[in-house]
Amino acid sequence: DAMVIQNPRYQVTQFGKPVTLSCSQTLNHNVMYWYQQKSSQAPKLLFHYYDKDFNNEADTPDNFQSRRPNTSFCFLDIRSPGLGDAAMYLCATSLRGRTGTQYFGPGTRLLVL
Amino acid sequence: QKEVEQNSGPLSVPEGAIASLNCTYSDRGSQSFFWYRQYSGKSPELIMFIYSNGDKEDGRFTAQLNKASQYVSLLIRDSQPSDSATYLCAVNSNSGYALNFGKGTSLLVTP
Repeated sequence: DAMVIQNPRYQVTQFGKPVTLSCSQTLNHNVMYWYQQKSSQAPKLLFHYYDKDFNNEADTPDNFQSRRPNTSFCFLDIRSPGLGDAAMYLCATSLRGRTGTQYFGPGTRLLVL
Repeated sequence: QKEVEQNSGPLSVPEGAIASLNCTYSDRGSQSFFWYRQYSGKSPELIMFIYSNGDKEDGRFTAQLNKASQYVSLLIRDSQPSDSATYLCAVNSNSGYALNFGKGTSLLVTP
């Protein structure tokens, strides 16, 4: 089945230790998104890619970066995680003309010690 | 700032009743409206979308849109315990491609 896969599902890191979260998709969608979601809050968009065009949300901290080496894969790098970065990180995909219909991966739960 | 507002709940309804979930948005340029369902600890899943004023029905779900009042709602008929989840309202404007999500309403359907 076509899907969005995220690895790892759970990630524990230490304060200040860089971490990379990965996302892959078999839907062949040209748009990929990274969201941060904290408990009882709305998903907050961090970045999105239209094909290789990178779009950074204005309030995304510099500590967060992203890479999309090809259509199928996208990575979220957190350079120096702080306690406030503990959250669920969701990857989603969509077609370019249907950006409201997004398919989410299962998420990566990040814990910062 | 473009905002999407929802009552956080929890909204508790008995099994078989109609659940009514409401959402307001601030950006009058908004064109497309979506309802996502999110079970606890899981990722959001699209269940309905609506673009035009009026009602749109899909099985037990009905989405209602009133652009003049900047209001969108989701009705769930014959509510089941399996409908217990958080329902996220999301809005998409023509000027931007990102979805703007509300915080969600927690729905509890009691047997």
